[in-house]
Amino acid sequence: QVQLVESGGGVVQPGGSLRLSCAASGFTFSSYGMHWVRQAPGKGLEWVAFIRYDGNNKYYADSVKGRFTISRDTSKNTLYLQMNSLRDEDTAVYYCAKGSSGTWGYFDYWGQGTLVTVSS
Amino acid sequence: DIQMTQSPSSLSASVGDRVTITCRASQGMSDYLAWYQQKPGKVPKLLIYAASTLQSGVPSRFSGSGSGTDFTLTISSLQPEDVATYYCQKYNSAPFTFGPGTKVDIK
Repeated sequence: QVQLVESGGGVVQPGGSLRLSCAASGFTFSSYGMHWVRQAPGKGLEWVAFIRYDGNNKYYADSVKGRFTISRDTSKNTLYLQMNSLRDEDTAVYYCAKGSSGTWGYFDYWGQGTLVTVSS
Repeated sequence: DIQMTQSPSSLSASVGDRVTITCRASQGMSDYLAWYQQKPGKVPKLLIYAASTLQSGVPSRFSGSGSGTDFTLTISSLQPEDVATYYCQKYNSAPFTFGPGTKVDIK
C-alpha cells in the first residue's frame, strides 16, 4: 500500500534553514508528481510546491518562491523540501502528497506530516 | 491565478440531514476540482475528484457536482463520523489552490 513518511521537522530560528524529507513506498515513485502542502496551526491547507514525475518542472506558491526548493531522488524514492530564510509565518505542519499523475492531478495520498516551528 | 471560495465557512446540522457545501472558482476550470475531508487532528483525505467522481472507499452518501466555476459537495445523510472540515481544490494547473474550508459539526 502507498506510504508517505515525512521527517526533518523541528524548531528553527527566523532566518534559519531546514530540509524536510518524504520517504515514499508502495508505488512507482518515478511515475508520479509530488507535492508539499502545509497547514499553519488552526488554519486551512496551503499548497506549497510541486515537482513533476521527472523532476524537470517545479512550481511554487508565491509565499515561498525564492526561499524553498523542492527536489526528488528517484534512487531513494524520496521527496525533499529545502527551506531557507524561514519566517515566523512558515510555522506549520508540512505534508507531502502524491499526485494522481505524472503532471497535474489531484492529491490521492498524504503523509502524516511533520511540524516545523520557526521561533526565536 | 484562480481564487477559490467556499460557503458556508461553517455549519451545524442534525444526524440524517442533507448537507450542501458550495465551492466557487474565480475563473472557469472545467471539472479539475477535488474535495478533501480533514477530521480533527487527522490527515486530509481525498473524497472526490473530477468534480463528481467518488474516490474508492468513500461512502456513497458523499457526492459532488458542478463544472466551470460552481461546484457542490453534498452529504445526503449526515453521520457523526462526518464531523470534519471540507476543502475544495483546483488541480488543472499551478498554483493548486485550496478553498478556505467548511467546518461541519453535529447540532
